[in-house]
Amino acid sequence: KAGVTQTPRYLIKTRGQQVTLSCSPISGHRSVSWYQQTPGQGLQFLFEYFSETQRNKGNFPGRFSGRQFSNSRSEMNVSTLELGDSALYLCASSTRGQSSGANVLTFGAGSRLTVL
Amino acid sequence: GESVGLHLPTLSVQEGDNSIINCAYSNSASDYFIWYKQESGKGPQFIIDIRSNMDKRQGQRVTVLLNKTVKHLSLQIAATQPGDSAVYFCADNQGAQKLVFGQGTRLTINP
Repeated sequence: KAGVTQTPRYLIKTRGQQVTLSCSPISGHRSVSWYQQTPGQGLQFLFEYFSETQRNKGNFPGRFSGRQFSNSRSEMNVSTLELGDSALYLCASSTRGQSSGANVLTFGAGSRLTVL
Repeated sequence: GESVGLHLPTLSVQEGDNSIINCAYSNSASDYFIWYKQESGKGPQFIIDIRSNMDKRQGQRVTVLLNKTVKHLSLQIAATQPGDSAVYFCADNQGAQKLVFGQGTRLTINP
């Protein structure tokens, strides 16, 4: 069973640019969540999508956005990049059902973004 | 806001010894906690979880203890092996797949 796939794995951008990151969840998983990981702030929740709808959102500015497609694949976008956006962006998927363990998130390896 | 904190940022143990990683949380209403392990270059990997109606749960070489009175949980790893070297995070599941993570403890195994 393939895991959570994130692309690209590494990318470098300059301030003011925008970036789009992609996530393919585990087959059958309909929930996709995004997290930002930095040395200073640790792992922070960005948002979660289920059946193409954003169900929950963390405390990030509107420059951070996302979407989910009908095949459950998700993208997140960061516009007007700032130096502080340099981070590892992690995507996680789950079934988000009612059964035991349904809320366990399986993470991808992440996309490491460097903003210069 | 609600937070999750770890007691030690680093922990060094001898191979074969037991490791104990501690975590504290602030939200009295929290009812579901998860431990993750993150190796270099990888995303966090699920280790074990526990619900608030339990005070102990065991997995393969791992045990999680939950003390709701003092809002503390711990992860015990038995007979630590080199492959256990990683950063360990406790997380509070606040619903709708939103996890609040602690800062992490880096576990180093000495041969």
